[in-house]
Amino acid sequence: EVQLVESGGGLVQPGRSLRLSCAASGFTFDDYAMHWVRQAPGKGLEWVSGISWNSGSIGYADSVKGRFTISRDNAKNSLYLQMNSLRAEDTALYYCAKDSTPLIAAAAYFDYWGQGTLVTVSS
Amino acid sequence: EIVLTQSPDFQSVTPKEKVTITCRASQSIGSSLHWYQQKPDQSPKLLIKYASQSISGVPSRFSGSGSGTDFTLTINSLEAEDAATYYCHQSSSLPWAFGQGTKVEIK
Repeated sequence: EVQLVESGGGLVQPGRSLRLSCAASGFTFDDYAMHWVRQAPGKGLEWVSGISWNSGSIGYADSVKGRFTISRDNAKNSLYLQMNSLRAEDTALYYCAKDSTPLIAAAAYFDYWGQGTLVTVSS
Repeated sequence: EIVLTQSPDFQSVTPKEKVTITCRASQSIGSSLHWYQQKPDQSPKLLIKYASQSISGVPSRFSGSGSGTDFTLTINSLEAEDAATYYCHQSSSLPWAFGQGTKVEIK
């Protein structure tokens, strides 16, 4: 059974940093690209970032480019999101999502999602 | 950047009725369009991939159609458990994008 378990969320002041983690199990982690998708309270889904199976290809939404860094550790079956210079508008539930292919620009889809970790940016 | 626009934003439907949700892309995306269902306090769940391909375990009353810029999700004979928000998603080019969502309420 595929499981994606996010952690690392919490309350943080504007301008500070936070690192999210996603522990994956139930599939061969280094065969697939992975993504972060967020959902602000009461709002829709927003793709944040994606990383290919070997970290060779990475993409970001314009809203987080230059502030967020995605990474993965295939030996630990883990995905990460380093979030710097956080803003109030980054407040959201952050989901880890599995890609259906190894690449991030392969016209694929999200076949599994975690339960999310909540990030609240407020003073 | 490709923008997806869904309609309607909200729909109130009686059980056994047919529901149709549309998703329009700002430029052609071929068949790189997928549909997800999100029930309250749950993670999104994949319903349809590549515009019209069914997903194992998803009830057959859910179907998709379309290509290029215009896509449709159809729910035949709506059931109470289908109350949810439905999102389309394009993966034709980065940045990947979602529609704003369509909330389906059961009357």
